[in-house]
Amino acid sequence: KAGVTQTPRYLIKTRGQQVTLSCSPISGHRSVSWYQQTPGQGLQFLFEYFSETQRNKGNFPGRFSGRQFSNSRSEMNVSTLELGDSALYLCASSWGESGRHYGYTFGSGTRLTVV
Amino acid sequence: AQSVTQLDSHVSVSEGTPVLLRCNYSSSYSPSLFWYVQHPNKGLQLLLKYTSAATLVKGINGFEAEFKKSETSFHLTKPSAHMSDAAEYFCASTSGTYKYIFGTGTRLKVLA
Repeated sequence: KAGVTQTPRYLIKTRGQQVTLSCSPISGHRSVSWYQQTPGQGLQFLFEYFSETQRNKGNFPGRFSGRQFSNSRSEMNVSTLELGDSALYLCASSWGESGRHYGYTFGSGTRLTVV
Repeated sequence: AQSVTQLDSHVSVSEGTPVLLRCNYSSSYSPSLFWYVQHPNKGLQLLLKYTSAATLVKGINGFEAEFKKSETSFHLTKPSAHMSDAAEYFCASTSGTYKYIFGTGTRLKVLA
């Protein structure tokens, strides 16, 4: 079966712009989480959604937002981009309400470069 | 507070020798613990998970980990390293809330 699909794979944006990243979870998975991965900070939790509801949010500024649709697909948006937002953004999906019991299946990520 | 500490940022082993990647956790609740592997330019792949069942957990590709509550550890082992095991490995914990906490990662190098 298809894995977690993230689009686009690579993105180059200019400071001050905004960006939307997309994630399609594995069919049947209703929990979707987002992580930012950078060499300096490692993997940092952004948000988690279940059935269109945000269940948890990490310590990121309000420029970072997300949503989940009725088909479980999810998007995250970053407004007013800063150089420090350059990172690999990973989406993960899971059975049940969270990855706590079943673990996550991760997508290959979107590599965002802000110039 | 919940935390995960991976004790080694880099580990080098020779092909065919055992692998040990160390992870300690801190949690107020009974945790669920996970090991993930990340190959270059890829997402993370789940190797194994502990969710309060058997303390010795077997995963994919010959990896296993043992949950030791008294030592608050969940070390990852493999009897014999293969070149394809070279990657970055992440330990993760979740307890009480839905939030995952990842360790900082251990980069495994396998020498021919």
